[in-house]
Amino acid sequence: GENVEQHPSTLSVQEGDSAVIKCTYSDSASNYFPWYKQELGKRPQLIIDIRSNVGEKKDQRIAVTLNKTAKHFSLHITETQPEDSAVYFCAASWNSGYALNFGKGTSLLVTP
Amino acid sequence: EADIYQTPRYLVIGTGKKITLECSQTMGHDKMYWYQQDPGMELHLIHYSYGVNSTEKGDLSSESTVSRIRTEHFPLTLESARPSHTSQYLCASQLGQATDTQYFGPGTRLTVL
Repeated sequence: GENVEQHPSTLSVQEGDSAVIKCTYSDSASNYFPWYKQELGKRPQLIIDIRSNVGEKKDQRIAVTLNKTAKHFSLHITETQPEDSAVYFCAASWNSGYALNFGKGTSLLVTP
Repeated sequence: EADIYQTPRYLVIGTGKKITLECSQTMGHDKMYWYQQDPGMELHLIHYSYGVNSTEKGDLSSESTVSRIRTEHFPLTLESARPSHTSQYLCASQLGQATDTQYFGPGTRLTVL
């Protein structure tokens, strides 16, 4: 089955710096790559996703890049703010797959 | 409002009790999931359903059972709770394909004494 690896497991940055979280996947059939943000005590929520026919997608301070050849995708957060502090999960799936395959999560701390 | 709901939000119960965690969604989604998650940690898929009368076990072995008699309802039952079941349980739903957005409920935090 699909295996999604996520790095780093923890990340601490100064407010205003950029943060990058990387994920690799094993199944070349995967064509959907969402990112979820889970704030303390809250439910995971989708923040951005990318499909395999696109190499990059941006939404304000958040961007995701995808390299299908290398089977990795990354989340980029620019101009980080304290409210970006949360656990971020990457995931991968394909159309006929039975479920999303999640990475183990990255705990991001943005210090003022 | 279209959403996914879980009750109870918090539950403290003694060992050996039978419990049912409720999950309902008003989005008309076919796929529903149960995840087990220790706070801030990895999401473990324990059960999923493709639709009415469909239930499957997930990647993490679980002593719980599920049912899907109605599209909107996907309850999880523990016949005999143990302290090792202490965790957060998240329900999620998805329209039809694994590539559709998956929405999570607010979770049930279960403590077994």
